[in-house]
Amino acid sequence: QKEVEQNSGPLSVPEGAIASLNCTYSDRGSQSFFWYRQYSGKSPELIMFIYSNGDKEDGRFTAQLNKASQYVSLLIRDSQPSDSATYLCALRGYGQNFVFGPGTRLSVLP
Amino acid sequence: GAGVSQTPSNKVTEKGKYVELRCDPISGHTALYWYRQSLGQGPEFLIYFQGTGAADDSGLPNDRFFAVRPEGSVSTLKIQRTERGDSAVYLCASSLSGGGPMNTEAFFGQGTRLTVV
Repeated sequence: QKEVEQNSGPLSVPEGAIASLNCTYSDRGSQSFFWYRQYSGKSPELIMFIYSNGDKEDGRFTAQLNKASQYVSLLIRDSQPSDSATYLCALRGYGQNFVFGPGTRLSVLP
Repeated sequence: GAGVSQTPSNKVTEKGKYVELRCDPISGHTALYWYRQSLGQGPEFLIYFQGTGAADDSGLPNDRFFAVRPEGSVSTLKIQRTERGDSAVYLCASSLSGGGPMNTEAFFGQGTRLTVV
């Protein structure tokens, strides 16, 4: 059973700061890792995916993966109030379903 | 269609009744997933289809839950003898393929909010 763990939060950061969201997982066979954002009452939407160790940057977002430590993180630079949402970490093995963590609620304070 | 479509968007049913939830995936997506999400929790996996067949149904909580995808496109999640504990948002997602070194993302529908009273 794949397990994905995240701090439920809420994580509060001031506007303009860096928000750091963390995720650990138990299945070493996991191959791809995804960060989804979910606004209240809405469905999840993909922010980034990563499958190689290291960093992957896309605009204000950076995903970091360390397979040896079974750890994946998401950094949000210059956080905006519109970034306030729940961030879901998900993983997937080859040909398998997506397994989601419980999500971290982020609040960016103006 | 342009996105994943789920119907109905809301469903209220009485305890013990039978319900069907429909998902129409993005055209050409061979993989289809059903999840259920309770308030404050992440999506909980139910079942995953690759084409017409269920590749993994290990998340179905019991035999009251069943899902089909007869033509490899639209899927229906069926819940018999509904219980109050079945109340949740049922999310459907689809993706281009079921595997590969660069796993493609899952696109979600807006969900069906099921309330069992």
